[in-house]
This record gives sequence, structure tokens and C-alpha cells, in this order.
Amino acid sequence: ETGVTQSPTHLIKTRGQQVTLRCSSQSGHNTVSWYQQALGQGPQFIFQYYREEENGRGNFPPRFSGLQFPNYSSELNVNALELDDSALYLCASSLAPSGGSETQYFGPGTRLLVL
Amino acid sequence: GNSVTQMEGPVTLSEEAFLTINCTYTATGYPSLFWYVQYPGEGLQLLLKATKADDKGSNKGFEATYRKETTSFHLEKGSVQVSDSAVYFCALTKDTGRRALTFGSGTRLQVQP
Repeated sequence: ETGVTQSPTHLIKTRGQQVTLRCSSQSGHNTVSWYQQALGQGPQFIFQYYREEENGRGNFPPRFSGLQFPNYSSELNVNALELDDSALYLCASSLAPSGGSETQYFGPGTRLLVL
Repeated sequence: GNSVTQMEGPVTLSEEAFLTINCTYTATGYPSLFWYVQYPGEGLQLLLKATKADDKGSNKGFEATYRKETTSFHLEKGSVQVSDSAVYFCALTKDTGRRALTFGSGTRLQVQP
């Protein structure tokens, strides 16, 4: 069984640029969630995708957008990067959202540094 | 809204000591509760979970009991090892609506030999 994978592992961008992060979900999982983890903090929910549709969004501005593909892999896009966007971006996959008890399995993350 | 509060770290223990990391939550309804662990330079790994009141989650010697009356989910281990050194996150998901994890701020555990 293949786990959740993310690419790239590290990325350096400058303020105002755009970035795309990628995630491959665990085999058999159809739901992908993205989280932002600032240094020394707990992860914050960005949004979730289920069957290629956004299925909930956290308190992040519209310049954070996403996609989910038919094979359930996903992308996180961030436009007009700001210094505060520097963080570890985590992707998590799970089975269909139902009842709230399904476990989310996390990838190793992409560390983004904005200069 | 939902929130999770964890004891601040770092928690420093000697090997074979008893561990407790406190976690309390605020949520409506009947959330599911989780403990995740993050080793240096890695993503999050699920440690254990509990989905209803009085459930006990356990894994690798760690335990936590879902206490609805005190809205708590404290993590315990009877005898810690150096390899348990990591950051531990308590989290919840609601039973309805958006299936997002709400995390606490994390507690760093350092176990000394």
C-alpha cells in the first residue's frame, strides 16, 4: 500500500510569485485535505477535496486554491506569495468523509520559504 | 467554534518515566478525537483515536480516554523511551459538516537517557 506523497520537499520563492504543490493520495483514498503548519504551531486547515469538488474551506484567502484530479491526486496553488506564507504544507488523504471519524493520513510535507 | 488546548512544552523526562500530556477541547456535538505525532523533519503520523465518549484509544504503549464530562483526551504512557522524543498534537473532527481536523499547538517531548 503506497502512502501519501508530496512534491517538492523544499521550495524557495520570492514575494509576489506563484507556487504549485502536489500531493498523491494513499491508494484507495478519494479525499484530500491541505493544511498549513507555521513554525512551532499546529497545522491549520486550508481546504478539502472530495471527488474533484471542494468540500470545505478554512480561513484562508482566495489566493489559496486547489484542484483534485480523477486519480484523486491534488494540487495546492498559492498566488501572490507573502512572507507569512512560509510554512510546512501538509497533504492528508482519507476515505469518503462521513461521520467525522475517518482517519486522515499525512504526507511528509513541502517546506516553502518565501523571501 | 472548535478549539483544542494542549499543555505547553517542552516536556522533559528521563527514560522509563511516566508521561501525561493534557488535552482539552471545545466543540459542539460529538467530535472524534485524535493524537498525532510528528518526528523531526517529518509529517504527522496518527498515534491513536477515539470516536465516542469513554472510548480508549491505544497504540505503542500510549493511551488516551475520551472524557466528555471533562472535555478531555489526555495522552499517557507508562514508560517513555528516547525514541518517543517528538512533538505530539491533539486534534478533533466534528461529527457533522466540514471534515477538517482542528489541532492544538503541539507539545514537544524530550526524553533523556
